[in-house]
Amino acid sequence: DVKVTQSSRYLVKRTGEKVFLECVQDMDHENMFWYRQDPGLGLRLIYFSYDVKMKEKGDIPEGYSVSREKKERFSLILESASTNQTSMYLCASSLRGRVFGGYTFGSGTRLTVV
Amino acid sequence: GNSVTQMEGPVTLSEEAFLTINCTYTATGYPSLFWYVQYPGEGLQLLLKATKADDKGSNKGFEATYRKETTSFHLEKGSVQVSDSAVYFCALSGRNRDDKIIFGKGTRLHILP
Repeated sequence: DVKVTQSSRYLVKRTGEKVFLECVQDMDHENMFWYRQDPGLGLRLIYFSYDVKMKEKGDIPEGYSVSREKKERFSLILESASTNQTSMYLCASSLRGRVFGGYTFGSGTRLTVV
Repeated sequence: GNSVTQMEGPVTLSEEAFLTINCTYTATGYPSLFWYVQYPGEGLQLLLKATKADDKGSNKGFEATYRKETTSFHLEKGSVQVSDSAVYFCALSGRNRDDKIIFGKGTRLHILP
């Protein structure tokens, strides 16, 4: 069964810490995405990548960065965590040029910044 | 630009009731349309999709028909179960190589036993 795996289901970090959220997919997908999900706001795109070493800003990139050194892995980095980054983070992937096939999502990481 | 509007929740129904969650869209050309479901504490799962007008997507008793004339993709189920309690997202994508999926804000569904 194809999978997108997020390294942690729950994470608690302190304000000011550097936080790494990891996402790995085993489907040889070119496209990978990071979203955050908040009540009443739906899914908001943070960053995405169409290939190794490539990254593009989404709708809310401020306070975040990403890394894509290998095709299967897409990391989201919170440079200095703040309480307003407490949220559910979702990773997704898809084949490039076949977006009509939909995205495959990971199970999410619920991050709490205290 | 492309957008998706779906009915706000929460929607509360009794078990075995008929379900409709409305979804309308704005898009140029002929988008692909999706319904995703998110169970508590989980990520999103693709529930069904339709890629051209008049197509009907179906899965797990849920159905949605791609209506270009009304720009709609309403989700329906004839008899809901408690296990259908989840958040449902309507979504669309364009047909260009690098188009991304645009999601609605989600509709929370509660099914009472």
